Amino acid sequence: KQEVTQIPAALSVPEGENLVLNCSFTDSAIYNLQWFRQDPGKGLTSLLLIQSSQREQTSGRLNASLDKSSGRSTLYIAASQPGDSATYLCAVSRPGGSYIPTFGRGTSLIVHP
Amino acid sequence: DAGVTQSPTHLIKTRGQQVTLRCSPISGHKSVSWYQQVLGQGPQFIFQYYEKEERGRGNFPDRFSARQFPNYSSELNVNALLLGDSALYLCASSADSGFFLNEQYFGPGTRLTVT
Repeated sequence: KQEVTQIPAALSVPEGENLVLNCSFTDSAIYNLQWFRQDPGKGLTSLLLIQSSQREQTSGRLNASLDKSSGRSTLYIAASQPGDSATYLCAVSRPGGSYIPTFGRGTSLIVHP
Repeated sequence: DAGVTQSPTHLIKTRGQQVTLRCSPISGHKSVSWYQQVLGQGPQFIFQYYEKEERGRGNFPDRFSARQFPNYSSELNVNALLLGDSALYLCASSADSGFFLNEQYFGPGTRLTVT
């Protein structure tokens, strides 16, 4: 059974810092990995999608890497801003005939001015 | 273009009752997935429908059922509600089935409270 762990569970940083959020998964036979952002009580917004054959993806100040062999992904946020405050979730999907994603519990990020 | 829409926004039900949640995918998307998110945890996969057929089912009891209509909108039904069914129910749509796994686009969710 796939298990996804996100560390740290919570993080509070001053504005301007560079951040690294971690996601680890127990079964390396994944189809892809996706990072999401969730604001309190809201739905999820997709940030980056990394296919299993890729090593990293970048979008603006965000960079996500994937190391399947070690079962790890990191989300790097450069020059953090108060608007980045949210919960960040990672999800991995398993290969096969249907898309069955497994989510981590998320990292709750607060960026204070 | 409108994003994924869900109705109702909030719902309060009593134990033992039945509830129906609705989801409209992004125009052109044929896949709809449902998730349950209990406070403080990540979303748990319930169902995926693609082209009106069930393509995936998570580890949920038979009290949970869903269907997809010809216009690709979807309903999630939960019977015999339990207190533990209280959660945010999320719907996501994507352009293809899990074979290609495009990005999932999520709706704002329906907050269900069971008393």
